[in-house]
Amino acid sequence: AAGVIQSPRHLIKEKRETATLKCYPIPRHDTVYWYQQGPGQDPQFLISFYEKMQSDKGSIPDRFSAQQFSDYHSELNMSSLELGDSALYFCASRRRQLNTEAFFGQGTRLTVV
Amino acid sequence: AQKITQTQPGMFVQEKEAVTLDCTYDTSDPSYGLFWYKQPSSGEMIFLIYQGSYDQQNATEGRYSLNFQKARKSANLVISASQLGDSAMYFCAMREGGAAGNKLTFGGGTRVLVKP
Repeated sequence: AAGVIQSPRHLIKEKRETATLKCYPIPRHDTVYWYQQGPGQDPQFLISFYEKMQSDKGSIPDRFSAQQFSDYHSELNMSSLELGDSALYFCASRRRQLNTEAFFGQGTRLTVV
Repeated sequence: AQKITQTQPGMFVQEKEAVTLDCTYDTSDPSYGLFWYKQPSSGEMIFLIYQGSYDQQNATEGRYSLNFQKARKSANLVISASQLGDSAMYFCAMREGGAAGNKLTFGGGTRVLVKP
């Protein structure tokens, strides 16, 4: 069965650079979530989209932005990277009408040096 | 206040024994869902089990069962017959608002190490 695809799997950037993370949800899933998991931390919600519109916003820095495209894939854009942005970034998707779990991608591990 | 509390930062369990991971939650929403995820050292987040707030029976999925005590706001995960491959971080999470709800809120996690 198709799963949530995230790319790249690993990314190394320097401070003040920009990064773009991509997420391809499971087909027919209409909701996408982004989470950030720092080292030794639990995942923290960043932002979500439902039917290509932003539906909820969490602790996402102003330096980050995200969008969901017409094909339902989503991108998380991160600018002016800081060392503290080093983390595992998860994308998850679900079909809102079904009261089921969110399916997570394998994550993108971002290291800022 | 913490919405999801996991009081056990880490625990050892003997292979083939059962282990219970604690989770308490806090919500005023009558409609919510409780989830357990497993995160092995490779990093992926693997869904284990789900319990809806209106479900009358405790959820079970293979070796995983959820001990749901609604009045006490607890949703403990029981893993029976532990295997070496169960060594991982386990997160309890809550989604509020029923089917229309959105984000998951996670607890701090419990690291389980299964000893042979």
